[in-house]
Amino acid sequence: GQSLEQPSEVTAVEGAIVQINCTYQTSGFYGLSWYQQHDGGAPTFLSYNALDGLEETGRFSSFLSRSDSYGYLLLQELQMKDSASYFCAVRDHGGATNKLIFGTGTLLAVQP
Amino acid sequence: DAGVIQSPRHEVTEMGQEVTLRCKPISGHNSLFWYRQTMMRGLELLIYFNNNVPIDDSGMPEDRFSAKMPNASFSTLKIQPSEPRDSAVYFCASSLGAANTEAFFGQGTRLTVV
Repeated sequence: GQSLEQPSEVTAVEGAIVQINCTYQTSGFYGLSWYQQHDGGAPTFLSYNALDGLEETGRFSSFLSRSDSYGYLLLQELQMKDSASYFCAVRDHGGATNKLIFGTGTLLAVQP
Repeated sequence: DAGVIQSPRHEVTEMGQEVTLRCKPISGHNSLFWYRQTMMRGLELLIYFNNNVPIDDSGMPEDRFSAKMPNASFSTLKIQPSEPRDSAVYFCASSLGAANTEAFFGQGTRLTVV
């Protein structure tokens, strides 16, 4: 089966750096994505890693280690508006379905 | 493009009634996903279409749930009969390409079954 595990909650203060981890187990794997969801809103795409290493997009960076089936999202210079849920996701092509499945989600609370 | 459009945004219905949720994907996208989100179970994939064909419906909880995609611009998710435990936010999402992990979500339908 497929599973993506994340911490359920993370708390940090404005201006700090926070890392949200994701470990995955899938029967097929193209790459790891991250989504942000504000309360009451729709998930929105943040980043994608197909290869090992760090991808940087402004204050957000994402890392992947395929050999460890592990990735993380790094948020720098935290702002109050970053308070949201963050999901990792994979396109699992095991069994040729290519379905997009999501992790359990991490609720990030940014405090002043 | 207006993005993925879902209707209705909110639905309140009585147990036993039929509920139909609607989705219009982004034009040109060939993958469409229906998800259900609850506090307890997170974001669950219910069914996935590729080129209007259902590819994986292993997430559909039971026979009360059914989904169709009669053409590239429209999909429905039907629950008949509805039960209180079906109360959740249902999201539709679309993407371009079979391997693309960038999916675009609609605003969701908040379903309450009383």
